[in-house]
Amino acid sequence: DVKVTQSSRYLVKRTGEKVFLECVQDMDHENMFWYRQDPGLGLRLIYFSYDVKMKEKGDIPEGYSVSREKKERFSLILESASTNQTSMYLCASSSILAGGSAGELFFGEGSRLTVL
Amino acid sequence: AQKITQTQPGMFVQEKEAVTLDCTYDTSDPSYGLFWYKQPSSGEMIFLIYQGSYDQQNATEGRYSLNFQKARKSANLVISASQLGDSAMYFCAMREGGSYIPTFGRGTSLIVHP
Repeated sequence: DVKVTQSSRYLVKRTGEKVFLECVQDMDHENMFWYRQDPGLGLRLIYFSYDVKMKEKGDIPEGYSVSREKKERFSLILESASTNQTSMYLCASSSILAGGSAGELFFGEGSRLTVL
Repeated sequence: AQKITQTQPGMFVQEKEAVTLDCTYDTSDPSYGLFWYKQPSSGEMIFLIYQGSYDQQNATEGRYSLNFQKARKSANLVISASQLGDSAMYFCAMREGGSYIPTFGRGTSLIVHP
């Protein structure tokens, strides 16, 4: 069974702390994504990675950075957490568009971060 | 401007009835793909159905069908014979051309009543 695993379902951090959100996929997918989900705003893309060490900024990259040192792992980093980063964070992966693939995203269960 | 618009923040339906969730999109790219995802209260997004812009027929997957009206730029999700387990958030998304990155709508919350 294909799987995207996020390291923590729930985190509580303090303002100014450095926060790491880890995501691992076992499908050998090239593409990985970090989205932020807030009520009424849908999913907004923070960062996208299409290969090891390659990344692209999404719609809301400010205050975030990412790391992809291995194909299966994509980490989201909050260098100095702030209360407005309290949110649900969703990691996803997809394959390149080959063999008739729709390129749908496979999601992890989400990480709900609260910054106090 | 929003590329994906879901105008129904919330919908209610009686069990066993059909329901349509609206989605309109905006693109000038002739090649694009449209997706619907379901997010139950557990949080994990689940892919439901896909429609390519060049597909001649509406996509169907079990009780889910996508009512694709290209000229109107609409891609509504139809759920037939609703079940209690269909209660969830539903998101429409679009990926343009050769991009791997989909844009999501704001979602519709569906509640199925017994």
